[in-house]
Amino acid sequence: QKEVEQDPGPLSVPEGAIVSLNCTYSNSAFQYFMWYRQYSRKGPELLMYTYSSGNKEDGRFTAQVDKSSKYISLFIRDSQPSDSATYLCAMTADSWGKFQFGAGTQVVVTP
Amino acid sequence: DTAVSQTPKYLVTQMGNDKSIKCEQNLGHDTMYWYKQDSKKFLKIMFSYNNKELIINETVPNRFSPKSPDKAHLNLHINSLELGDSAVYFCASSPLTSGASSSYEQYFGPGTRLTVT
Repeated sequence: QKEVEQDPGPLSVPEGAIVSLNCTYSNSAFQYFMWYRQYSRKGPELLMYTYSSGNKEDGRFTAQVDKSSKYISLFIRDSQPSDSATYLCAMTADSWGKFQFGAGTQVVVTP
Repeated sequence: DTAVSQTPKYLVTQMGNDKSIKCEQNLGHDTMYWYKQDSKKFLKIMFSYNNKELIINETVPNRFSPKSPDKAHLNLHINSLELGDSAVYFCASSPLTSGASSSYEQYFGPGTRLTVT
């Protein structure tokens, strides 16, 4: 069993809808969490970075961490076709930032 | 200005050759990483350096050797390339300054697509 599980998708939503992404993990020591967006043939772009449990909002993006359930989520409001990409979650308990990545969820936002 | 840059962007080479990939960051960060992304898009950490010192060394064949001439540069040298080394290699940097710091976010470069034939 992988330490970080993420549904590969594809997840198809109409423009304007809310995109809901999530990852589950098995290591209860994880406490730093990141979400990345990766366009095809590009490097991952950092979207959100959170520490421990709780919510964090940045523009159209909201990240949630539920450590008791070992579950993290990313919500994208008012989705646009330009949000079509692969979204990667990453997390670590390591003091030197050895992050474990999910396999990524492909999102397609249709006009 | 590009924050994390890598050269070359594409690398096509034959089995058995030796090649290097270079990475530079202008963010003033102390920590840099090398990742490998396979054909299934799975990102796996290989190495990390903090201020020129190796701090993460995952289970990677010893044909892979990282070198950090200064904290803004982290290069990856690969000896005796094999077909299975074909992947996209990403460099990343982080403001992480010590094991006690809370600044864990990582910024990635554009990647180097390595094809071994």
